[in-house]
Amino acid sequence: EPEVTQTPSHQVTQMGQEVILRCVPISNHLYFYWYRQILGQKVEFLVSFYNNEISEKSEIFDDQFSVERPDGSNFTLKIRSTKLEDSAMYFCASSERTSPQHFGDGTRLSIL
Amino acid sequence: RKEVEQDPGPFNVPEGATVAFNCTYSNSASQSFFWYRQDCRKEPKLLMSVYSSGNEDGRFTAQLNRASQYISLLIRDSKLSDSATYLCVVNKSGYSTLTFGKGTMLLVSP
Repeated sequence: EPEVTQTPSHQVTQMGQEVILRCVPISNHLYFYWYRQILGQKVEFLVSFYNNEISEKSEIFDDQFSVERPDGSNFTLKIRSTKLEDSAMYFCASSERTSPQHFGDGTRLSIL
Repeated sequence: RKEVEQDPGPFNVPEGATVAFNCTYSNSASQSFFWYRQDCRKEPKLLMSVYSSGNEDGRFTAQLNRASQYISLLIRDSKLSDSATYLCVVNKSGYSTLTFGKGTMLLVSP
C-alpha cells in the first residue's frame, strides 16, 4: 500500500536555528498538509497546500513557517528560527481530494 | 466549548468485550467525519469514515447524528491489538482542515 514518508524521523536543533522537515506524499495525491502534535496534546492543523500554493493555514503557521514543493515529489516545512515551543511531532499528510487524509509516520523535533 | 470533544478514558476492557466511544463536535458546518487510531507516539491512521446512514467495517461500527452533533464508534469482540487512542476527526465543507479531538484511550487486557 502506498504511504507518505517523512525524513528525518528525529531532528534535534538548537533554539534559533532553521530546520527543514521533508515529506514525500503519495504519488497521485494532490493535496498536502502539515500537522503537529505537542506531547500529550491533540493533533493540530498547520497548513494545507494545493496546486502549488497554500490553501489554508492556522494561527500557528506564522511567518516563521513556510512550505515548499521544490520538485514533483517532495513537500517541505521550514521553520526559520526555532523556539522551544516548536518541540513536537510534525506529521505530513496527503490526500487525493480534501479527504480522507493519510499521514506519514512523523518527525520528532526537539529544540534545545 | 471545544471543537471536538471526547472522553479521554482510559477505557479498560477484557478481550472479547464490546466497547463504545462517543464524540461531540461544535461546528454545525462540519461535513466529513472520521475515526482515526493512534498508537503511542505514532502517526494517526485512518480507521474509518463515518457516513450519515451509519457504516460498519468488520468489528467496527460508526454512527453519526447530525442533529445532536454526535459521532460514535462501537468495537465488538475487542482484541489486544485494538489497544490504542481513538481520535474523532471532523472537517468543514469546502475546507481541507481536519480538526482532531484529543482522543479516547482504549486498553484491552487478556
